[in-house]
Amino acid sequence: RKEVEQDPGPFNVPEGATVAFNCTYSNSASQSFFWYRQDCRKEPKLLMSVYSSGNEDGRFTAQLNRASQYISLLIRDSKLSDSATYLCVVRRPMGQNFVFGPGTRLSVLP
Amino acid sequence: DTEVTQTPKHLVMGMTNKKSLKCEQHMGHRAMYWYKQKAKKPPELMFVYSYEKLSINESVPSRFSPECPNSSLLNLHLHALQPEDSALYLCASSPYGGNEQFFGPGTRLTVL
Repeated sequence: RKEVEQDPGPFNVPEGATVAFNCTYSNSASQSFFWYRQDCRKEPKLLMSVYSSGNEDGRFTAQLNRASQYISLLIRDSKLSDSATYLCVVRRPMGQNFVFGPGTRLSVLP
Repeated sequence: DTEVTQTPKHLVMGMTNKKSLKCEQHMGHRAMYWYKQKAKKPPELMFVYSYEKLSINESVPSRFSPECPNSSLLNLHLHALQPEDSALYLCASSPYGGNEQFFGPGTRLTVL
């Protein structure tokens, strides 16, 4: 089993749709959780950290369920500019060691 | 200055060449990283430097040799690479103990 798994995608959605991404991780001692986005031929950029209580940033909502070892990202009212690959990232228990999930590609269509 | 810079942007090398990739940041971050990313795959961690000391080596072949000359610079020395080493090499930095990683734009490496 991979350490971090994500929905295989791709997701093709119309503008204005709501889309949800799922991520699971295998190491129950993992410390911190993030969503990054990566545009084609660009570097990854942090979208948001994920906190136990859930957190929201504008149209984006992240949730963490430690018992199920599950992380989610919800995008509401999707825009063309949201088209990217969304990467779930988990920080291992020891040290500055981050593991990336395989990513889920999103295409928002006009 | 909130960016990580990497040089060169593109590099083509033969299997017998020796070359180096360079990474620089002036954000005062004390953790720096090298990642390798193949097409349509996520970044894979190669090395982590914490306070200029190598703290993580993810079983990377010795033909990749990292170096951290000071707190702002990170190099990756390449020697006797194989064609399968062709990839995007990403450098990142973060505050030590911090969570957000700042990535450079990467060096796109082709090994012939």
